Amino acid sequence: NAGVMQNPRHLVRRRGQEARLRCSPMKGHSHVYWYRQLPEEGLKFMVYLQKENIIDESGMPKERFSAEFPKEGPSILRIQQVVRGDSAAYFCASSPEAVQKNTGELFFGEGSRLTVL
Amino acid sequence: AQSVAQPEDQVNVAEGNPLTVKCTYSVSGNPYLFWYVQYPNRGLQFLLKYITGDNLVKGSYGFEAEFNKSQTSFHLKKPSALVSDSALYFCAVRGPRRQLTFGSGTQLTVLP
Repeated sequence: NAGVMQNPRHLVRRRGQEARLRCSPMKGHSHVYWYRQLPEEGLKFMVYLQKENIIDESGMPKERFSAEFPKEGPSILRIQQVVRGDSAAYFCASSPEAVQKNTGELFFGEGSRLTVL
Repeated sequence: AQSVAQPEDQVNVAEGNPLTVKCTYSVSGNPYLFWYVQYPNRGLQFLLKYITGDNLVKGSYGFEAEFNKSQTSFHLKKPSALVSDSALYFCAVRGPRRQLTFGSGTQLTVLP
């Protein structure tokens, strides 16, 4: 009964490197949402994806950040040329596709904590 | 655009006393409202939601929330707080694309 799985749980990168964060949604879920939580702050929506489609990326920074959710495999949030301000916890959430199975709440993973040195 | 406000960054309450964590919302149309809890270095856990129906919603761990349409509020309550309830609580409202918009969070500390 696996929930939303995120890896790595902790990631350390130096400025200028790339960070890749992975998210496998719950079984039967095909909607994935990425959120960012800065220290001492709430969660900010970044992007909403379905399989092979970006539905809403209104919360994504215009540069260096990208997300995908391929037909096979996990969703990936990619941050290029990381800066210290990217240090945060990145949470993935999922929900089922079928409207009748979608009761509204999102199911969250444990998060990936990125530290940029 | 939808939004949620949690006016208190911190709420302290003695164990055994009732607790309230406040939330007000702004959304066009009927609101879908949620409460989540986050323990240190963990993800968010769903507590309860309001979609339609009774204004008093019961959820996990003895928590409940009262939906008040006229005051656009959705306050989280528990009749008798436990030390283990100490955590960060988030109120959220659902947007048009099913994403959730979260409040800034309220740190609840239950004192023994």
